[in-house]
Amino acid sequence: AQSVTQLDSQVPVFEEAPVELRCNYSSSVSVYLFWYVQYPNQGLQLLLKYLSGSTLVESINGFEAEFNKSQTSFHLRKPSVHISDTAEYFCAVSDGSSGGSNYKLTFGKGTLLTVNP
Amino acid sequence: KAGVTQTPRYLIKTRGQQVTLSCSPISGHRSVSWYQQTPGQGLQFLFEYFSETQRNKGNFPGRFSGRQFSNSRSEMNVSTLELGDSALYLCASSKRTTGAGELFFGEGSRLTVL
Repeated sequence: AQSVTQLDSQVPVFEEAPVELRCNYSSSVSVYLFWYVQYPNQGLQLLLKYLSGSTLVESINGFEAEFNKSQTSFHLRKPSVHISDTAEYFCAVSDGSSGGSNYKLTFGKGTLLTVNP
Repeated sequence: KAGVTQTPRYLIKTRGQQVTLSCSPISGHRSVSWYQQTPGQGLQFLFEYFSETQRNKGNFPGRFSGRQFSNSRSEMNVSTLELGDSALYLCASSKRTTGAGELFFGEGSRLTVL
């Protein structure tokens, strides 16, 4: 069975500081990896995804994540955060080898990123 | 285009009652998944429907059920409600034509069981 561990439940940072949100997964098969963001009282929005190819993936708002197969990690980074980045971030994994089950996502418990002025 | 729409957004029920939640996917999306979100357990997969058939199922008791209609709209039902069923229930839709689960989520239905 797949599992996702987000190592930090809360990460407070100051505005314009860099941030890294850590994610490790456990799976015996090939995987697809995702980061979703949830703003207060809203649903989840896809931030970025790794399906195949380049191990470094980027979002349109400056976040990036790197797939590291040997370390089974998919950490999320941003070189300079803004107040508006305050939200909860969820790492998720799905089975990349089976066409029937790769629409079931296993989520981590989430990391609350708080950006302070 | 319109996003995923869930109704109702908030509801309060008492133990033993049942509840039905509704989800309208993005136009053209034929897959609908349901997730339960609680502070303690986080996000947990309930089930997925595609072309009116349940394709995947999570580890929830039989009190949790769902269905999908021919227009891809989906409902989930929880019978004999328990206090622990209090949660945010999220619906997500996808095209399911590519090989990965990129999901588009609604804002959720927040259920409180008293």
